[in-house]
Amino acid sequence: DQQVKQNSPSLSVQEGRISILNCDYTNSMFDYFLWYKKYPAEGPTFLISISSIKDKNEDGRFTVFLNKSAKHLSLHIVPSQPGDSAVYFCAAKDYGQNFVFGPGTRLSVLP
Amino acid sequence: DAMVIQNPRYQVTQFGKPVTLSCSQTLNHNVMYWYQQKSSQAPKLLFHYYDKDFNNEADTPDNFQSRRPNTSFCFLDIRSPGLGDAAMYLCATSKDRLFQETQYFGPGTRLLVL
Repeated sequence: DQQVKQNSPSLSVQEGRISILNCDYTNSMFDYFLWYKKYPAEGPTFLISISSIKDKNEDGRFTVFLNKSAKHLSLHIVPSQPGDSAVYFCAAKDYGQNFVFGPGTRLSVLP
Repeated sequence: DAMVIQNPRYQVTQFGKPVTLSCSQTLNHNVMYWYQQKSSQAPKLLFHYYDKDFNNEADTPDNFQSRRPNTSFCFLDIRSPGLGDAAMYLCATSKDRLFQETQYFGPGTRLLVL
C-alpha cells in the first residue's frame, strides 16, 4: 500500500520552461513533506520542504505547493536548467515517525 | 565537510555468502537509517537506530541485521544474500526523529548477488 505516490515516472521539459512534479499521499497524519533530488551514482540530497501549516514554500527557483484537502503537493522549478535533470523523490513524515518515500520522477531538462 | 560515507560503493557477493555494508557519519546525528532501493521503486526502510535503540520495520526479513557500535558507524549485515537482495542500499542520518527533521543520505552501495 503506497502511502506516497508519484504517478509520473518521467517528465521532459525544455530548458527555461517550468517543471512541475506532482506527489499524492494517503495518510492524513503526515504533516511534513520534503523533496529530494538524486543524481546517478549519488544518494538523494535534500531540496526543499514544507510543513502542513503552510501551503507554499519558496527557495530560489524551487517552490513547493501543498494542498492538504486534496492530499497533494507539487514541486515547481522555474526556469528549468539542464543541471536539474535528476530523479526527484517526494517524502512525507508525521511527528516522531519515519519518512515515507515515493517512487520518484525522472526529470529531463532538454537544452 | 560533514557527511555520510558508505563503503564500498559497489559490492559483489555470491548467493548465500554473508556480506556487510558499512556507513559512517561525521554529522554526530542521533538517528541512522538503512534503506533498500530497487530500480524505479521508492527507498524502503529496513531499520533504524535512534542512538543505541534498534528499530526494525515489521516487514524487514530476518536475513537483514544491523549493528551500531558507536555514534559514527552503522553496519548492515545480510546473512544469506539471495538474488532478490540485489539492490542499492542507502544509509541516511537525521539529528533526531522530531518534527521537521531532514535526512542526509550517503551515496549508496550497489549490491550485486551472483
